[in-house]
Amino acid sequence: GAVVSQHPSWVICKSGTSVKIECRSLDFQATTMFWYRQFPKQSLMLMATSNEGSKATYEQGVEKDKFLINHASLTLSTLTVTSAHPEDSSFYICSARPGQVYGYTFGSGTRLTVV
Amino acid sequence: SQQGEEDPQALSIQEGENATMNCSYKTSINNLQWYRQNSGRGLVHLILIRSNEREKHSGRLRVTLDTSKKSSSLLITASRAADTASYFCATDAGGTSYGKLTFGQGTILTVHP
Repeated sequence: GAVVSQHPSWVICKSGTSVKIECRSLDFQATTMFWYRQFPKQSLMLMATSNEGSKATYEQGVEKDKFLINHASLTLSTLTVTSAHPEDSSFYICSARPGQVYGYTFGSGTRLTVV
Repeated sequence: SQQGEEDPQALSIQEGENATMNCSYKTSINNLQWYRQNSGRGLVHLILIRSNEREKHSGRLRVTLDTSKKSSSLLITASRAADTASYFCATDAGGTSYGKLTFGQGTILTVHP
C-alpha cells in the first residue's frame, strides 16, 4: 500500500534555530500534501496545503514566513520551522491527498521540542 | 478550518464493555473517517464512511452516519485494554478540498483490564 515516510520522528532544538521536517511518498507521486499540527492533549489542526511546483496555501492564522513549505518534487514536501520558539513545540504530521489507487495516508509524525 | 465536536471528551470502561463515541460536524461532507491515536504516536485509520452511506462495519467497529443531523458515532464492541487510545473523527468536504481533513476534538478512551 501507499506509504508516506516522515522524518525525523522527533527533534529537540534550541530557541532561534530552524528545523526541517521531511514528508516523502515512497511508492507513489503526491502532487498535494497536507501539514497538520497537534498541541499536547489537543486535536489536529490543518496548517497548510503543499502543492508540487507552486506555493503552499496556508490556513488562517498560520504564519507562512515562519512555517516554510517546499514541495519541489512529486515525492517530497518539507516543512521548515524557522526561528523556533518553545511555543512551536508540537506534533507535526503530514498526509498525502488520496489518489485513485490509494487512500488517506499519513506520515508517522514529528515531535518537535524547542528548548 | 472549524473543528467538529466529539463527545464524550473522555470515556472510561471495563474490558468487555462496549464504547460509543459521537462526532458532530458543521459543513457538508464527502466522507467521514475515524482514526485512533495512541499517546504521542501517529494516526491509525480505522474506517471511512461515505456521505451516501448510513452504517458501516469493520471487525469490532461499527460506524453510523446521519448527514441530516451532521453526526456520526463509533461503536467499539467487546473492548480490550489495547483499545485504550484517543479517537478522532475527521471529515473531508471533497471537491477542491478533497483530502483536506477537519478533525474533531477527540475522545480519550481508557479500557481497564
